[in-house]
Amino acid sequence: DAKTTQPPSMDCAEGRAANLPCNHSTISGNEYVYWYRQIHSQGPQYIIHGLKNNETNEMASLIITEDRKSSTLILPHATLRDTAVYYCIVRVGYSGNQFYFGTGTSLTVIP
Amino acid sequence: DVKVTQSSRYLVKRTGEKVFLECVQDMDHENMFWYRQDPGLGLRLIYFSYDVKMKEKGDIPEGYSVSREKKERFSLILESASTNQTSMYLCASRPPGARGNTEAFFGQGTRLTVV
Repeated sequence: DAKTTQPPSMDCAEGRAANLPCNHSTISGNEYVYWYRQIHSQGPQYIIHGLKNNETNEMASLIITEDRKSSTLILPHATLRDTAVYYCIVRVGYSGNQFYFGTGTSLTVIP
Repeated sequence: DVKVTQSSRYLVKRTGEKVFLECVQDMDHENMFWYRQDPGLGLRLIYFSYDVKMKEKGDIPEGYSVSREKKERFSLILESASTNQTSMYLCASRPPGARGNTEAFFGQGTRLTVV
């Protein structure tokens, strides 16, 4: 199973873009990259996912390198409410159903 | 909106008790999951189920069992609770999708304390 590596913590100034990196060097061709975040005392919340192409939605952008061994989640204009733990997940495709979480990145948005 | 509901937000149980954590989802999802979350360890998968009466072990199944008698309900069972099972427990469900291209939805979590 592909695993992910993320920095344990990051800070970002309010209003600036937050760029959260993730390494998944053992990812296989049919495995998606998912991003979730967890605000204190709540269940994880879905943000975005992708396979090969870059993706954008109302919350964030996901940039996946061409070799798919790493990705970056971009929050374009971070707010204080974006302070949370962010998880990069590579799930098992096709027959697999598991979401394997790591320890995530604790993002602190600073006023 | 998809709703995943865990029966309790907080539970306190005694060592040796049999503990049931219940999770119900209202969107007819085939796949359901149980995780535990501990400081510094992130979320770890305990068990998941991909259909009624079907289950597979995750990373840390020891000391736990599960039951999926109906599609909407997935129960986590601690046969004999121990203090090292004090944790936050999170349930999730996910619909099937072509090549697994679907998101999972999480409940609010149950904080279990075993004394």
